Amino acid sequence: DQQVKQNSPSLSVQEGRISILNCDYTNSMFDYFLWYKKYPAEGPTFLISISSIKDKNEDGRFTVFLNKSAKHLSLHIVPSQPGDSAVYFCAAFGYSGGGADGLTFGKGTHLIIQP
Amino acid sequence: DGGITQSPKYLFRKEGQNVTLSCEQNLNHDAMYWYRQDPGQGLRLIYYSQIVNDFQKGDIAEGYSVSREKKESFPLTVTSAQKNPTAFYLCASSPGTSLTQYFGPGTRLTVL
Repeated sequence: DQQVKQNSPSLSVQEGRISILNCDYTNSMFDYFLWYKKYPAEGPTFLISISSIKDKNEDGRFTVFLNKSAKHLSLHIVPSQPGDSAVYFCAAFGYSGGGADGLTFGKGTHLIIQP
Repeated sequence: DGGITQSPKYLFRKEGQNVTLSCEQNLNHDAMYWYRQDPGQGLRLIYYSQIVNDFQKGDIAEGYSVSREKKESFPLTVTSAQKNPTAFYLCASSPGTSLTQYFGPGTRLTVL
């Protein structure tokens, strides 16, 4: 049972426009959310996070929005740049029900920035 | 220059052999984690350790073992009992004051 879902395997956006990556979760015990960027054969790089007590967090070109009632979060990148092309993972922290205390990851969205 | 190192980058082993993957960090982080990634999948938690000499099973611990004898080191052994060991393995660490995890570069293990 997938507790963190990224329903778009890929997303293509023109350079300079806004990229919006979406993530849904099912476990109401999740209380901290993170976005990671990953290139092939490399480790994920932390981008931005948000606590469940907030609904928005901003860092430069990256903004994360959290809608707790809808169990939905999104990452906005504006303006999109060619170097943003990568796989983006949404992750959640909180008691997953399996007894583990690590992050639960979505399957990722491959963002492609077109010139 | 602080960070997390994993070695080697690529590792090949014959079926039935145990293999140990290295993970070292000089960030003075308390917690360390091991994840595996399969093609088209997210990362899945194998084991984690919040303090020295203590570790906990993650969601997919079967066929794996770990040790945490030093704060800086958290090696993962992939045993012959792991049915599908070929994967990309990622080590991460986090400070006690934050939930954010920082990842190493990963080791790609191929079992022939």
